[in-house]
Amino acid sequence: GAGVSQTPSNKVTEKGKYVELRCDPISGHTALYWYRQSLGQGPEFLIYFQGTGAADDSGLPNDRFFAVRPEGSVSTLKIQRTERGDSAVYLCASSLNRGYEQYFGPGTRLTVT
Amino acid sequence: GIQVEQSPPDLILQEGANSTLRCNFSDSVNNLQWFHQNPWGQLINLFYIPSGTKQNGRLSATTVATERYSLLYISSSQTTDSGVYFCAPVDSGNTPLVFGKGTRLSVIA
Repeated sequence: GAGVSQTPSNKVTEKGKYVELRCDPISGHTALYWYRQSLGQGPEFLIYFQGTGAADDSGLPNDRFFAVRPEGSVSTLKIQRTERGDSAVYLCASSLNRGYEQYFGPGTRLTVT
Repeated sequence: GIQVEQSPPDLILQEGANSTLRCNFSDSVNNLQWFHQNPWGQLINLFYIPSGTKQNGRLSATTVATERYSLLYISSSQTTDSGVYFCAPVDSGNTPLVFGKGTRLSVIA
């Protein structure tokens, strides 16, 4: 079946602009996660949704970052007033439920110039 | 939060060789996953292994949760095994995976 998909695959934006990154989880998966991976590092947790609600947003670095999952399926990660330090690969993962195996999408490479 | 340490950080193997990658973690865990990140950046699930031993073809993994470590064995390595291998446990009571810095494996023909 279809895996986790993310769009766009690449995004180049200017410092100060607003961006939205989209994640389509595996059908039927209730848990959805966003991670961020910088060059040479392992992915770092940003936010976790169970259904429509953000169950844990402790990894969001500051209030410029926000994510939604209004219908419990697709999720959008929103970054306001982008900074060069936001450049990274943003990864989305989903699992059947909390505590189950997580499956990752291909990521969105964000470059802030 | 939980700390994850992977060793070795880098490994170069001749094709056909065997290797063992180690993951130490600092606290009790609910579950643990091993991933292979291929050169295109895709994270590929290898094992979901909170405890015990599992095998899948040339790969096997063992987690000893009471001693806070997990091992990934790669036998008869192939050039397609090249990439970064990540261990990612889940802290008890929490949900997100916590990744180590990975082991970068290069298999040479």
